[in-house]
Amino acid sequence: DGGITQSPKYLFRKEGQNVTLSCEQNLNHDAMYWYRQDPGQGLRLIYYSQIVNDFQKGDIAEGYSVSREKKESFPLTVTSAQKNPTAFYLCASSIDHTAYEQYFGPGTRLTVT
Amino acid sequence: AQKVTQAQTEISVVEKEDVTLDCVYETRDTTYYLFWYKQPPSGELVFLIRRNSFDEQNEISGRYSWNFQKSTSSFNFTITASQVVDSAVYFCALSATDSWGKLQFGAGTQVVVTP
Repeated sequence: DGGITQSPKYLFRKEGQNVTLSCEQNLNHDAMYWYRQDPGQGLRLIYYSQIVNDFQKGDIAEGYSVSREKKESFPLTVTSAQKNPTAFYLCASSIDHTAYEQYFGPGTRLTVT
Repeated sequence: AQKVTQAQTEISVVEKEDVTLDCVYETRDTTYYLFWYKQPPSGELVFLIRRNSFDEQNEISGRYSWNFQKSTSSFNFTITASQVVDSAVYFCALSATDSWGKLQFGAGTQVVVTP
C-alpha cells in the first residue's frame, strides 16, 4: 500500500536531548513537508523540501533541522534549542512543489519533560 | 500575506442534522488553491477536496458539499445528514501557486456529532 509512515507514534524525551522523527513515503512524491500542531491550533510549517538534497525553512524552523538524502525519506530533528518541543508532528508529501494536495502521515506525538 | 479564518471553534449537532463549516481566506494572489482536510481523533489528516481559484462551481461528493464564493472570499463546507463518524476537526487551507506548495491552515473547527 502506498502511503506515508511516521515512527514512532509516541515519543518521550528529557529536556536537553535531541530527537529525530522519522518520515518515509513510497508515493514517489518529490515534495515533502513537516508541520507542527499544538492543541486547539492549526498546522504550522517547519521545513519543506521540493527535491532531494534541497530543503527550505518554513514559518517556525528555529530549533529544528532536516535532511533529504533520499526521495523517500525526510527526517526531522528536534534539537535542544527548540524551546517548546512538546507537540504533535505531522509529515506530508505531494507530487511536486506546486499546489497539489498534500497527503499526511499518522503523526508523532512528542513529549519532552 | 495569506490568511485563513475559521471562526467556528466547535459545532455540536445531533445525528442527521446538517452542519456548515465556514472558511474565509485572504490572499493577494490571483491564482490560488483551497483545500479541506479532516482530522479524526486518530490524528492523521485526510484530504477531502482541492479547488482552484478559477473554478467557482459548487461541488458535491456524497454527503459533503462545498460552496466557493470568490466575491466573499469564502469556501464553506456542508455535511448533510451528519453521522457520528463525521466527528473530527476540519481544516481549511490555502496555497498560492507561487508559494512552493506551502499550505496556510486555518485554526480548525471541531465537529461533534452525538447520536
